[in-house]
Amino acid sequence: NAGVTQTPKFRILKIGQSMTLQCTQDMNHNYMYWYRQDPGMGLKLIYYSVGAGITDKGEVPNGYNVSRSTTEDFPLRLELAAPSQTSVYFCASSLVAGQSGYTFGSGTRLTVV
Amino acid sequence: EDKVVQSPLSLVVHEGDTVTLNCSYEVTNFRSLLWYKQEKKAPTFLFMLTSSGIEKKSGRLSSILDKKELFSILNITATQTGDSAVYLCALGGSQGNLIFGKGTKLSVKP
Repeated sequence: NAGVTQTPKFRILKIGQSMTLQCTQDMNHNYMYWYRQDPGMGLKLIYYSVGAGITDKGEVPNGYNVSRSTTEDFPLRLELAAPSQTSVYFCASSLVAGQSGYTFGSGTRLTVV
Repeated sequence: EDKVVQSPLSLVVHEGDTVTLNCSYEVTNFRSLLWYKQEKKAPTFLFMLTSSGIEKKSGRLSSILDKKELFSILNITATQTGDSAVYLCALGGSQGNLIFGKGTKLSVKP
């Protein structure tokens, strides 16, 4: 069971560079989410999707974009990386909204220098 | 604005102690309250609470929700060094998103 797979695990970007964080789930979950976690803080929602073709902004969407062309994939795009985007990024999925079946990926540690 | 507040932010105890972690919230229309344990990597699920006053229990861990007073507690009895982690409280919103508190960092010393 792969669950939620995130790549890469680590990345260093220079200011102004762009990159895509990949997220794939094999559980046929409709709901997918991207969170970021800064040191000493809880997770904050960046974007979420309730199904293929549907995405919506979370609490901290500025500087990011997402797409959901398939049920399995939910990539997060960073355009013009800034030091404020240095964080750990978690992708998650769930079958039912707000329930215990929330599965997290292992995270991507991103540093922008 | 929806808010989840956890206390204390950090806690140091010795093995064998009992700890109580607190989570208070100001969230409307939430479906469930969840507790997660986070060690080095992704949060792992502990409990989901939907009804007030019903205790959930798993080994040395237990949790209860009070919807009238808007809080939940997570108890850990006979703590072990392996309990050292950040414990996150989150409320499940209507869109399936989770609203997280900042977490309580628990350190259990031998």
